[in-house]
Amino acid sequence: TQLLEQSPQFLSIQEGENLTVYCNSSSVFSSLQWYRQEPGEGPVLLVTVVTGGEVKRLKRLTFQFGDARKDSSLHITAAQPGDTGLYLCAGEEAGGFKTIFGAGTRLFVKA
Amino acid sequence: GAGVSQTPSNKVTEKGKYVELRCDPISGHTALYWYRQSLGQGPEFLIYFQGTGAADDSGLPNDRFFAVRPEGSVSTLKIQRTERGDSAVYLCASSATHRREQYFGPGTRLTVT
Repeated sequence: TQLLEQSPQFLSIQEGENLTVYCNSSSVFSSLQWYRQEPGEGPVLLVTVVTGGEVKRLKRLTFQFGDARKDSSLHITAAQPGDTGLYLCAGEEAGGFKTIFGAGTRLFVKA
Repeated sequence: GAGVSQTPSNKVTEKGKYVELRCDPISGHTALYWYRQSLGQGPEFLIYFQGTGAADDSGLPNDRFFAVRPEGSVSTLKIQRTERGDSAVYLCASSATHRREQYFGPGTRLTVT
């Protein structure tokens, strides 16, 4: 069974601080996605990384896919209260149809 | 345009009853996924449809769970003899085709009493 472990599970920081969220697995994925989920809503895709070592930037968010395509990180620079939410990583099963989600990192940014 | 919609938004049922949860995907999307999300967890894959057929139903927990998509658009997730452990948010997502971006609906919160 493929599993994705996210850390930390919960993070509370002050506005303006930087943070990194990690997503790790012992399995190889064909691609990995990062989602953000608000209460009462479904997850919304932030980015997809496909190539080992790939780095993508989305404003203050930087996403990296590990060289072996087993892990990923999300770095947020100068966090803002609007960044508060549940961040989920998800991996596309290699050769299959499943999307495997991590348990999520709940981020709270205090003004 | 319209996103993925799910009905009902909330469903409370008694243990042992039968429930149906509906998903209306984005028009033209051939791929449709069902997930279950328990409190404090990420979504758990249940089933994937490509068109009318279930290409992967390996995530369905047991034979009380069944899903259909008869015309390749709307899908219904059916749960027989509900148990308290079935309580969760059931999410539906659609994508233009497999391995393209998945768009999620708001979910149906199922509570089994």
